[in-house]
Amino acid sequence: ELKVEQNPLFLSMQEGKNYTIYCNYSTTSDRLYWYRQDPGKSLESLFVLLSNGAVKQEGRLMASLDTKARLSTLHITAAVHDLSATYFCAVDPYDKIIFGKGTRLHILP
Amino acid sequence: DAGITQSPRYKITETGRQVTLMCHQTWSHSYMFWYRQDLGHGLRLIYYSAAADITDKGEVPDGYVVSRSKTENFPLTLESATRSQTSVYFCATEQGDSPLHFGNGTRLTVT
Repeated sequence: ELKVEQNPLFLSMQEGKNYTIYCNYSTTSDRLYWYRQDPGKSLESLFVLLSNGAVKQEGRLMASLDTKARLSTLHITAAVHDLSATYFCAVDPYDKIIFGKGTRLHILP
Repeated sequence: DAGITQSPRYKITETGRQVTLMCHQTWSHSYMFWYRQDLGHGLRLIYYSAAADITDKGEVPDGYVVSRSKTENFPLTLESATRSQTSVYFCATEQGDSPLHFGNGTRLTVT
């Protein structure tokens, strides 16, 4: 059974600090996705990681993928309040796209 | 406008009723997905489809039926709704290496 585990599930942090969200998955996957969801809204794509060692950055967010360790990280640099949201990773084995439970990020001013 | 449209946005139904949630896309993407979102569970895959007339079960398919007679439509039917099916339902499409594109969701309440 495929498992996608995110940790932490909830994170409260101060503005200006750095932190990392981890996504572990239990089976081989060609792709890994990161999404953001604001309360009451749909999901917005952040990154698609397609190969081992892939690194993508957008603003204060950087995602990386280690397919051998079956691990992806989403690193937040110098957090700002606008990054408060829920972040999901998802993997894509055998045409299914399976999501983790999400990390609810709360950034305090 | 191009994109993915879910309807209705909100639906209240009674236990035992049949209800259909609609999903329509204008891109002609091959893959379409249905997810439900519940607090504490993230998004769970109900059914997905690789093309017209090809559908397959996801993580939580029991109590749901799908069809895909045309590429652009992927309706989800609850044959006999139960309270445990109260949830927010998202439809999504995918093509190639692009990310999933999500609809705005349908909030379903079963009383």
